[in-house]
Amino acid sequence: SQTIHQWPATLVQPVGSPLSLECTVEGTSNPNLYWYRQAAGRGLQLLFYSVGIGQISSEVPQNLSASRPQDRQFILSSKKLLLSDSGFYLCAWRTTVGTQYFGPGTRLLVL
Amino acid sequence: ELKVEQNPLFLSMQEGKNYTIYCNYSTTSDRLYWYRQDPGKSLESLFVLLSNGAVKQEGRLMASLDTKARLSTLHITAAVHDLSATYFCAVVWGSGTYKYIFGTGTRLKVLA
Repeated sequence: SQTIHQWPATLVQPVGSPLSLECTVEGTSNPNLYWYRQAAGRGLQLLFYSVGIGQISSEVPQNLSASRPQDRQFILSSKKLLLSDSGFYLCAWRTTVGTQYFGPGTRLLVL
Repeated sequence: ELKVEQNPLFLSMQEGKNYTIYCNYSTTSDRLYWYRQDPGKSLESLFVLLSNGAVKQEGRLMASLDTKARLSTLHITAAVHDLSATYFCAVVWGSGTYKYIFGTGTRLKVLA
């Protein structure tokens, strides 16, 4: 069966510091992968999605970037965090019928 | 731009009662998904609706899709406390792409 991992689970970072969040998927090959952000009490905002290694589509201009160095690895990064980057970051992969399965998430607080 | 709106945003209901959550979307899409999120947790898939008139049921929840009206409903029958959560609908945006737009979410609280 497929599983999706994210780490770290929680992170507290100062403004201006770098960020690296990692997502890995097991049990499937060549998955479509997604990064979402959820602000407190809000819905999900699509940040990036990837259909394959090295292929990244950005949905929202911001100071974040994503990379897919391996088939089942998706990384979200920032060179300098802003206060507005705080939120709950969710990684997901998509099945053939389009259902998304989400990882456990990373809760980021920027101070 | 595709917009996905849910109503109500907040719903407080008594156990045993029935209610419906609505999900409206602004452009053509033939696929719609429902998810559940418990407080502080990730999202869990509930239903996938792949065609006009599709109906899916699981326990006390039933989802339906009317692509002509651009409307999906999530009906709750005889609510129980365990159904308390936030429910999201999501629509695929664009032909041949797999970008998802999520609704605003409906926070459901079932009172004992």
